[in-house]
Amino acid sequence: QVQLQESGPGLVKPSETLSLTCAVSGGSISPHYWSWIRQPPGKGLEWIGYIYYTENSKYNPSLKSRVTLSLDTSKNQFSLRMTSVTAADTAVYYCARERAGDRGSYFFDFWGQGALVTVSS
Amino acid sequence: SSVLTQPPSVSVAPGQTARITCERNNIGSKSVHWYQQKPGQAPVLVVYDNGDRPSGIPERFSGSNSGNTATLTISRVEAGDEADYFCQVWDSSTDVVFGGGTKLTVL
Repeated sequence: QVQLQESGPGLVKPSETLSLTCAVSGGSISPHYWSWIRQPPGKGLEWIGYIYYTENSKYNPSLKSRVTLSLDTSKNQFSLRMTSVTAADTAVYYCARERAGDRGSYFFDFWGQGALVTVSS
Repeated sequence: SSVLTQPPSVSVAPGQTARITCERNNIGSKSVHWYQQKPGQAPVLVVYDNGDRPSGIPERFSGSNSGNTATLTISRVEAGDEADYFCQVWDSSTDVVFGGGTKLTVL
């Protein structure tokens, strides 16, 4: 059973950089897609982006200018970096495995427990 | 439009059937996936590719998709089904899109 665990600072100051890491256990980074999804308190889910095991990546256009995903296959983990954060970036950040179904559509079959990141001075 | 529209809330008595909808123009041409999220927990995939269930998900959870509406159906609703439910689609132009979520209340 694949398990994911987010880690990183729970408090980030406005204008600074948010950094989170997701450790994957029970399975390999290869050959899958790995995503970050966030959820502001009391609100819905927002996809941030994915990184493929080949290190190809794609981002939500609304966040693309501020987000970078990376992975470390030797440690079986991947990371999120978001620059110039504001209070609007306060959310629970989830990492998840993204996979394709038989019809070629992608969904998330394994999720981390989530990490609350608060942006505040 | 890429927006997926869900009703904010659905209420159902125990033992009855709950139907949660997800609307978008021509959504029937896409595969729709559904997630259950209980308070303080991560979402859990309950239906993928319109109507398939991951292992461990009860048969009471089923899905359908046609025209402009996809539907998650929960039969013989139990108190433990009370949660938020989100639909999701993927396509090559917009990538991942989530619905706004529906709060299921078991009366």
